[in-house]
Amino acid sequence: EAQVTQNPRYLITVTGKKLTVTCSQNMNHEYMSWYRQDPGLGLRQIYYSMNVEVTDKGDVPEGYKVSRKEKRNFPLILESPSPNQTSLYFCASRKWENTEAFFGQGTRLTVV
Amino acid sequence: AQSVTQPDIHITVSEGASLELRCNYSYGATPYLFWYVQSPGQGLQLLLKYFSGDTLVQGIKGFEAEFKRSQSSFNLRKPSVHWSDAAEYFCAVGASGTYKYIFGTGTRLKVLA
Repeated sequence: EAQVTQNPRYLITVTGKKLTVTCSQNMNHEYMSWYRQDPGLGLRQIYYSMNVEVTDKGDVPEGYKVSRKEKRNFPLILESPSPNQTSLYFCASRKWENTEAFFGQGTRLTVV
Repeated sequence: AQSVTQPDIHITVSEGASLELRCNYSYGATPYLFWYVQSPGQGLQLLLKYFSGDTLVQGIKGFEAEFKRSQSSFNLRKPSVHWSDAAEYFCAVGASGTYKYIFGTGTRLKVLA
């Protein structure tokens, strides 16, 4: 089954404790991205990657890091989480520019 | 700059009634347009998309949308809403050459039995 898998689905952590949210896709897609969803703001892009070892900032990259060492994986790293990063996070992948994006189930992160 | 506006934050309809969710975009060239649905606790699922050609596009679950270039709109419609349609709906535009999707802020649909 074609899918994007994120882990964990739920995470509560404390300020400053490094964490990683994993994302993996099995569709051999070139393009992957991370979004955060906040009430009233819709989805905002954090980072994206056009292929292995090619990443770039989206609209809200501050406080986040990503890496793309393998085509299928695109982890999101919060080196020092803060409460304003409490949000619902989605990973997405697609084959090419302007094709359908497939989304993971989301990770609800709470930073206390 | 590209933008997407969904003017209705919440919409409530009765089961069986017709539905129209509004989406307006701002984009200089021909946009690539999408509607996604997010059920509670779930990721986003594609309902339909417009790239070119026929301006009335059909999607899954009985939804359709019409691209109107003159009005910069891509409204989503369904003739008869089912209780299972209660969800949040997002309109998105693909910005050619930037690999970026721009999402609207979403419309939350409530369906009354």
